[in-house]
Amino acid sequence: SAVISQKPSRDICQRGTSLTIQCQVDSQVTMMFWYRQQPGQSLTLIATANQGSEATYESGFVIDKFPISRPNLTFSTLTVSNMSPEDSSIYLCSVDYTDTQYFGPGTRLTVL
Amino acid sequence: EDQVTQSPEALRLQEGESSSLNCSYTVSGLRGLFWYRQDPGKGPEFLFTLYSAGEEKEKERLKATLTKKESFLHITAPKPEDSATYLCAVHRSGAGSYQLTFGKGTKLSVIP
Repeated sequence: SAVISQKPSRDICQRGTSLTIQCQVDSQVTMMFWYRQQPGQSLTLIATANQGSEATYESGFVIDKFPISRPNLTFSTLTVSNMSPEDSSIYLCSVDYTDTQYFGPGTRLTVL
Repeated sequence: EDQVTQSPEALRLQEGESSSLNCSYTVSGLRGLFWYRQDPGKGPEFLFTLYSAGEEKEKERLKATLTKKESFLHITAPKPEDSATYLCAVHRSGAGSYQLTFGKGTKLSVIP
């Protein structure tokens, strides 16, 4: 399996600011994913990040709001820009490793 | 559109009382069905992948089964440490398709 870490584990932010979440994996992987999990809801895919190419965003998510970097095969960042209280959620990094998606511990974001 | 429905939403069992969780799905070509366990404040932990109808996988007190329309997660003689939310997800077949569609989960509570 792949071991994934995320930073920060939680944060409380003010409306209008931005937060960058880091995701580190212990193996080189091609596919990395960012999900959002809102209270009482299932996981929703935000975007897929391949190393060396632009991230692919799902319907309802745009690059200006959720810019993603993927500088190498073990690291990615997700930025939540110009935050509003509606962005309060858990953000999860995931990787495809041997045809299975493994998840990081998540970042719990609260926007005031 | 892929859909995953899990039932019940919540299940309360006495320690040792066996039961099953249900995951009904519709997908245009199933590449795999995944079961995850999620503890409060943590990311989903991978449990099983099932690929074809009739397949079964076991791990300790858990056994997952798959038909063409649904999957069951059987819990035999559960213990309090089995308390968690269990998530089901489907992976659609097709080149370049990596998205998982998740259900909302079943929250299991095992009472000593």
